[in-house]
Amino acid sequence: DTAVSQTPKYLVTQMGNDKSIKCEQNLGHDTMYWYKQDSKKFLKIMFSYNNKELIINETVPNRFSPKSPDKAHLNLHINSLELGDSAVYFCASSQVISASPLHFGNGTRLTVT
Amino acid sequence: TQLLEQSPQFLSIQEGENLTVYCNSSSVFSSLQWYRQEPGEGPVLLVTVVTGGEVKKLKRLTFQFGDARKDSSLHITAAQPGDTGLYLCAAAGGTSYGKLTFGQGTILTVHP
Repeated sequence: DTAVSQTPKYLVTQMGNDKSIKCEQNLGHDTMYWYKQDSKKFLKIMFSYNNKELIINETVPNRFSPKSPDKAHLNLHINSLELGDSAVYFCASSQVISASPLHFGNGTRLTVT
Repeated sequence: TQLLEQSPQFLSIQEGENLTVYCNSSSVFSSLQWYRQEPGEGPVLLVTVVTGGEVKKLKRLTFQFGDARKDSSLHITAAQPGDTGLYLCAAAGGTSYGKLTFGQGTILTVHP
């Protein structure tokens, strides 16, 4: 059984479009995250939700809007996509917030043309 | 913003060689984690070190947390092609409560 699953795996779209990435975890974890990995493989946190409540909101353009309908799901909606948004986006979960180890999904490779 | 300096950025070695990856910071952390990421997949946790001076072993991998909890190293003995991947250190605590700060990563390639 996949612990953290995100869809789609690949997303190719044009500038200006709106797209969503979905994430689900079946680990019973309280905390979920979105990370962005750039072309140099650097992983940077974008958002963190704990029991559906937004905890961490890094300096991310407000075109990015996370939504957590329940603690097992955290989706990411991106409006007006730009070329610079191209990256791999990882969903992750942890048992609790703080220093708990992260369980990552397999990523969504977003390419904006 | 606290930074984790990871080195080297790239490492290309022959099967059977030993290697060490370093993760350094000027901040003190409550714990440090090492992850390994393969192409097309997400990072997978290898180990968490919590106590200053702690050493943990995972088969041919040895992880050490510095006495001052500001740095860590990952040593691989007799590397194998299956060790190829991206190795990431991530630290918790310091001024970044509730989130992990990742190093830039080390891309390791082990040639047969």
